[in-house]
Amino acid sequence: ETGVTQTPRHLVMGMTNKKSLKCEQHLGHNAMYWYKQSAKKPLELMFVYSLEERVENNSVPSRFSPECPNSSHLFLHLHTLQPEDSALYLCASSQEPTLAGGPGELFFGEGSRLTVL
Amino acid sequence: GNSVTQMEGPVTLSEEAFLTINCTYTATGYPSLFWYVQYPGEGLQLLLKATKADDKGSNKGFEATYRKETTSFHLEKGSVQVSDSAVYFCALSDPESDGNQFYFGTGTSLTVIP
Repeated sequence: ETGVTQTPRHLVMGMTNKKSLKCEQHLGHNAMYWYKQSAKKPLELMFVYSLEERVENNSVPSRFSPECPNSSHLFLHLHTLQPEDSALYLCASSQEPTLAGGPGELFFGEGSRLTVL
Repeated sequence: GNSVTQMEGPVTLSEEAFLTINCTYTATGYPSLFWYVQYPGEGLQLLLKATKADDKGSNKGFEATYRKETTSFHLEKGSVQVSDSAVYFCALSDPESDGNQFYFGTGTSLTVIP
């Protein structure tokens, strides 16, 4: 497999369920991201992991819990979500930016479409 | 701070029409600028980029020039095709000031009709 792979592609869950989204990148990158895409809104950065350490957490509610066990895998654990959390969750990866080389290009997965009932 | 503003959609064009999608940015430093495209049911993919002022990014007939004097990075294509129907996102990144942060616009939906 190549690129960034996300599973599941579609997920329907109740507000009391616990589920996880999985992302795997096969590009040898060392930074991974979770974004939330809702209709009519800019992409919202949720979490960034660089070299397996969390470097960004944009005031995301604690009902979203990320995990990055290694540089190729990223999870988003979900529990007690609200209907307004329904959205497309996009995973991305990049090579750590360098001052000489500029920012690394983001490579996105196809997303996990989450519906919270 | 850093931010991106792009024109609201949706945009509907006939095949072979000229396309412009406006994007302006605010930045504290010297960012790199990107256009990403999202086809239906897919994630975002990089369309083109420019890393410094006056650079022109181009790909698949699309072009955008990094204009520092007008803080703009407008996307253009001379003759659109039905297959160009997608959502287009302008984005900015400035590692010196913001590390791994990418700033995206709200996206502009383009529909090309035969």
